[in-house]
Amino acid sequence: AQSVTQLDSQVPVFEEAPVELRCNYSSSVSVYLFWYVQYPNQGLQLLLKYLSGSTLVKGINGFEAEFNKSQTSFHLRKPSVHISDTAEYFCAVSEVGANTDKLIFGTGTRLQVFP
Amino acid sequence: DAGVIQSPRHEVTEMGQEVTLRCKPISGHDYLFWYRQTMMRGLELLIYFNNNVPIDDSGMPEDRFSAKMPNASFSTLKIQPSEPRDSAVYFCASSQPRDRVATGELFFGEGSRLTVL
Repeated sequence: AQSVTQLDSQVPVFEEAPVELRCNYSSSVSVYLFWYVQYPNQGLQLLLKYLSGSTLVKGINGFEAEFNKSQTSFHLRKPSVHISDTAEYFCAVSEVGANTDKLIFGTGTRLQVFP
Repeated sequence: DAGVIQSPRHEVTEMGQEVTLRCKPISGHDYLFWYRQTMMRGLELLIYFNNNVPIDDSGMPEDRFSAKMPNASFSTLKIQPSEPRDSAVYFCASSQPRDRVATGELFFGEGSRLTVL
């Protein structure tokens, strides 16, 4: 079974500052890793994903994440945030080789960007 | 292309009433997922279907919850009888593994916010 831990429930930051949202996972098998974003009153949408290859993954809206297998982490970063980045961010995992897109989500991190 | 469509967007009901939530997945998607989102538990997978067949319903909280997918373009999640602790946002999502390899990209609807008084 897999599990995902997002250590920070809320991250306040000022506009144009850098941000890192932390994600750690636990699994007995190899996993794929994902970050989803949820804007207020909307569903989730995919921000970026790691399936294989380069451990540094770039996503939409200037976000990137780095897969660190030894630390079982997949932290999300952005060098300069905008007010519009205010949203809930979810880290998720799925099992490599499975024939389904079943995802296990973390509890989410609320990013609040202040002017 | 239309995304995943859920209805109703908001539902307020009284304890003991039956609640039916509806979902239309993206055309051509093989998988359909029902998730529940609460402040306390985050996003929980309730059940998912592959080609209209329920594959894993281990996340369904109890017998009061049931889900069906009578055809490829429609699914329902029913709660009968409803209780205040069922208050949550219920999301439907669909996906289509490419070449039978899952890539983890789910397409979510905007959710149905349920309040049980």
